[in-house]
Order: sequence, then C-alpha cells, then structure tokens
Amino acid sequence: DTVLTQSPALAVSPGERVSISCRASEGVNSYMHWYQQKPGQQPKLLIYKASNLASGVPARFSGSGSGTDFTLTIDPVEADDTATYFCQQSWNDPTFGGGTKLELK
Amino acid sequence: EVQLVETGGGLVQPGRSLKLSCVASGFTFSSYWMYWIRQAPGKGLEWVSSINTDGGSTYYPDSVKGRFTISRDNAENTVYLQMNSLRSEDTATYYCAKGYGSYFDYWGQGVMVTVSS
Repeated sequence: DTVLTQSPALAVSPGERVSISCRASEGVNSYMHWYQQKPGQQPKLLIYKASNLASGVPARFSGSGSGTDFTLTIDPVEADDTATYFCQQSWNDPTFGGGTKLELK
Repeated sequence: EVQLVETGGGLVQPGRSLKLSCVASGFTFSSYWMYWIRQAPGKGLEWVSSINTDGGSTYYPDSVKGRFTISRDNAENTVYLQMNSLRSEDTATYYCAKGYGSYFDYWGQGVMVTVSS
C-alpha cells in the first residue's frame, strides 16, 4: 500500500498563509487529491489531481506537487477553515493520509 | 443537486452480518463508479470497496476482502455493502462516495456501524 504521511496538527492566525504537506511512500504521479472534513460532517473535495480546484471551492485554496511531495495551501486562512484536511492518492488502490487538524489561533 | 443517502447502520454483534444501502440522486448513477469508505471513531479514512459502472468489477482492500461485498442496482440508483463476519475493528462511520476519475467528488452523510457484544 502507498502510505501517505501528514503532520498531525497546525495552528495559524486568520489572514495568514498555511501550507499542509503530504508525503507519499512512493511516487503517485499527480494522482493526489485533498479533502476538508469539519467535525460531524462528511469529507468535501477541495483539490483533485494535485492542483485542480474542485467546483465551488474558494480560490484561497490551492494545491501543488507531483511524485511524492504535495502541498495544500490556504491563503488567506479564514475562521471557517477550521477542519481536518486529508490527502488521498489514486495511483494505486486508494489510500488516505492520517489528516492534518487545522486550528485557528 | 447530487445526494447520497446511506442507511442500514446500527449495533451488531461480532460475527454477524449487516447490509448498508446508499441511494443516489442528482446525477446519472449508471455512469459512475461508486465507493464505500469508512472512518473509525476519531481516526482517519479507509477505502473499503469500489464497483464499476455495470457492477461487473469490484475491488477491496485485504482488511475486508472475503467478508464484504459491494453491489449496485442501476435501476434503483442504489449501491450496497454486504458486511459479513463483522469484527470490532469494523466499527466506523461508513460513507458512500461517487467517483469521478480517480477521486471522490461527492460523499454521503455517513452511517454508523458499531460491532460489539
């Protein structure tokens, strides 16, 4: 299985820029996707294929990377962005990162 | 508007069976792969099963292979997950998700399955 590693938590102030990283145990080309999950809700697609913004997602969100290293950037961060962010690869059988919990200071 | 509504969850004893259903609306169901993904309490996400558009191909991770079966009824816009020989580690919220290419563009609200004696 392709293991995806994310930092467990980050804390930022509203208005700042935050980068959330995801590292794959093997190359996944650009088949990396990002989801946002707020407490008690289902995940929501933010970014697909590394850098493509999903429909209806604010342009404050962006994605980059290829191969093994990927980044989700939020700029500027807003209070409503408090959530857990998961990366997911689809180069092999789907696997998810452990999630990064974003908290606002 | 795309909607995915899961039902069938509940409390079940270890070794018993449970069948989940997911009714889809708002898109041409028969044109998309469908998936089940689960999330244990306070944990991350785990892909559980996939099914292609006509139901002829199904896929599972080793953790559920041989115990879980995904199926679909395109006439009823419904995807199912038959879960047999349930274990405590199967306790989770189960999400139905619509596939688009290689990612999941819509998710249901989830249904809780608790395996406990």
